[in-house]
Amino acid sequence: LAKTTQPISMDSYEGQEVNITCSHNNIATNDYITWYQQFPSQGPRFIIQGYKTKVTNEVASLFIPADRKSSTLSLPRVSLSDTAVYYCLVGDTLGGGSYIPTFGRGTSLIVHP
Amino acid sequence: SAVISQKPSRDICQRGTSLTIQCQVDSQVTMMFWYRQQPGQSLTLIATANQGSEATYESGFVIDKFPISRPNLTFSTLTVSNMSPEDSSIYLCSGRSETEAFFGQGTRLTVV
Repeated sequence: LAKTTQPISMDSYEGQEVNITCSHNNIATNDYITWYQQFPSQGPRFIIQGYKTKVTNEVASLFIPADRKSSTLSLPRVSLSDTAVYYCLVGDTLGGGSYIPTFGRGTSLIVHP
Repeated sequence: SAVISQKPSRDICQRGTSLTIQCQVDSQVTMMFWYRQQPGQSLTLIATANQGSEATYESGFVIDKFPISRPNLTFSTLTVSNMSPEDSSIYLCSGRSETEAFFGQGTRLTVV
């Protein structure tokens, strides 16, 4: 049973805001939601992590509704360099537990000029 | 954030030979993992590298084919043994701290 479901691909244009939604209907009470970005020929890079409501950093915002069954990664004013694959992961990442990052298919975002 | 150094970055190997990939983390991590990523695909977990003991392998991966070592908290190796063209892939090392996971740049392996 897949832990997360994301759109396979998205297209956008420079300067636009991009929202990528991830479904995680079976999220557990202790699970956090983490997003990674991967460029071609590179390993995934941590973007943002959250538990509920809204989290914002210098790169992105993460919106999590009260039921936590989904989350939305928001990238403001994307540029060509934001073209990458974005992965949504859920798991109990805190407390030194045995969390193992497990990747779904990810969303391939292409930003056009 | 931890920095993970992985080498070699790429290699072309003859079938039937073995390649050992090294992974060095610049700070202590609680867990280390090895992944494989086929072109255009997501990351598939090969195993969890356990310090001082045998690695924990995922379904479809066995120790004879992918022996793994982790002699200390910051270093691990993955060997791809008796290679065939089907082993051509990117192999990624990962380390996990309390809050997030870090990844190496990967080793692009081509078996001819």
